[in-house]
Amino acid sequence: KQEVTQIPAALSVPEGENLVLNCSFTDSAIYNLQWFRQDPGKGLTSLLLIQSSQREQTSGRLNASLDKSSGRSTLYIAASQPGDSATYLCAPKTGANNLFFGTGTRLTVIP
Amino acid sequence: ETGVTQTPRHLVMGMTNKKSLKCEQHLGHNAMYWYKQSAKKPLELMFVYNFKEQTENNSVPSRFSPECPNSSHLFLHLHTLQPEDSALYLCASSQDNYASNSPLHFGNGTRLTVT
Repeated sequence: KQEVTQIPAALSVPEGENLVLNCSFTDSAIYNLQWFRQDPGKGLTSLLLIQSSQREQTSGRLNASLDKSSGRSTLYIAASQPGDSATYLCAPKTGANNLFFGTGTRLTVIP
Repeated sequence: ETGVTQTPRHLVMGMTNKKSLKCEQHLGHNAMYWYKQSAKKPLELMFVYNFKEQTENNSVPSRFSPECPNSSHLFLHLHTLQPEDSALYLCASSQDNYASNSPLHFGNGTRLTVT
């Protein structure tokens, strides 16, 4: 069964700093990997999806990379803002029916 | 404004009650999902429907009963729940379940408390 680990569990940074969130997974036979953000008491918002054949995806200040063979993905956030404060979740898709989630990294950006 | 709408947002029910959670998606997707999110645990997949057919039941107890009358609507019928079933229940949809480039879109969830 796929196991997903996200490090660190919590991160606090001053506004404007660049930061990297890490995700590792045990089964490298994935279809894709998706990054989400979750605000308190809310659902998940999709940020980026990287297909298994891709190395990275970019959207605005966000850049996600994927190293499938080593079972790692990173989410890079440039010039962080207080509005980026949320929990960030990664989810590799293994098989047709399942997206496996980590427990997330809780990010706080201090004004 | 999310393309996936869940009602109610909050629900408190006793262990002997019967209630239903509703999910509706306006994205033209063909796959719909129920996930459970408990405190300090990863999201757990419960059920998957693809083109209205159930394709996954992730060993969920029978006190949870899903229903998918069409590709736009998904229900989760609840009866004789336990306090440990208290959690955030999230509905999601995607274009279909097999495409590798089909992201999941989530609703805001129903916060369920079982007393």
